[in-house]
Amino acid sequence: DTEVTQTPKHLVMGMTNKKSLKCEQHMGHRAMYWYKQKAKKPPELMFVYSYEKLSINESVPSRFSPECPNSSLLNLHLHALQPEDSALYLCASSQDTTGNEQFFGPGTRLTVL
Amino acid sequence: SQQGEEDPQALSIQEGENATMNCSYKTSINNLQWYRQNSGRGLVHLILIRSNEREKHSGRLRVTLDTSKKSSSLLITASRAADTASYFCAEGSGYSTLTFGKGTMLLVSP
Repeated sequence: DTEVTQTPKHLVMGMTNKKSLKCEQHMGHRAMYWYKQKAKKPPELMFVYSYEKLSINESVPSRFSPECPNSSLLNLHLHALQPEDSALYLCASSQDTTGNEQFFGPGTRLTVL
Repeated sequence: SQQGEEDPQALSIQEGENATMNCSYKTSINNLQWYRQNSGRGLVHLILIRSNEREKHSGRLRVTLDTSKKSSSLLITASRAADTASYFCAEGSGYSTLTFGKGTMLLVSP
């Protein structure tokens, strides 16, 4: 299985809601990533997990809370988001953190009203 | 992190023609990667070239790397309508982080 899956595909939420994005891979990869991508822009790194531990947080606001329950799963918990947080959220994984290719999921299109 | 520049920002060609995209980067790299993204979807890894390599081929793709000029190019030969997508270069630091360039939007018309 060489696929990264993400759920849901689309999410609409209000500024007071709490929601979670989910990502799963079964390639035995030990590094997982969250990216945020605005329209017509490149992906921007948010978080890196290495061996289930948070290794990089790119100064992301605390209203985004990542979680890695096990080596196959990565969650992104959302709370009190702003309309400017509307974007495509991409999950990726790689074999490890030595700079190899990353495998991306299809993304969750998030709209904050 | 500073993003690299890709050139051109948009490219429109006919099927069968070759497409060349250029990428300039800013940091010292361990590798340079190219990704494709179809509209609103996830990225697909195309090719990785290491800093000690100068050229690499994969099917219809040819990538070159000039570390003295901090630049790379991606050539797609005999393009097809299915190649229509955005193409990003990404600087690999040798650790986990990738810094993506601004991308080139390629449109291949039948």
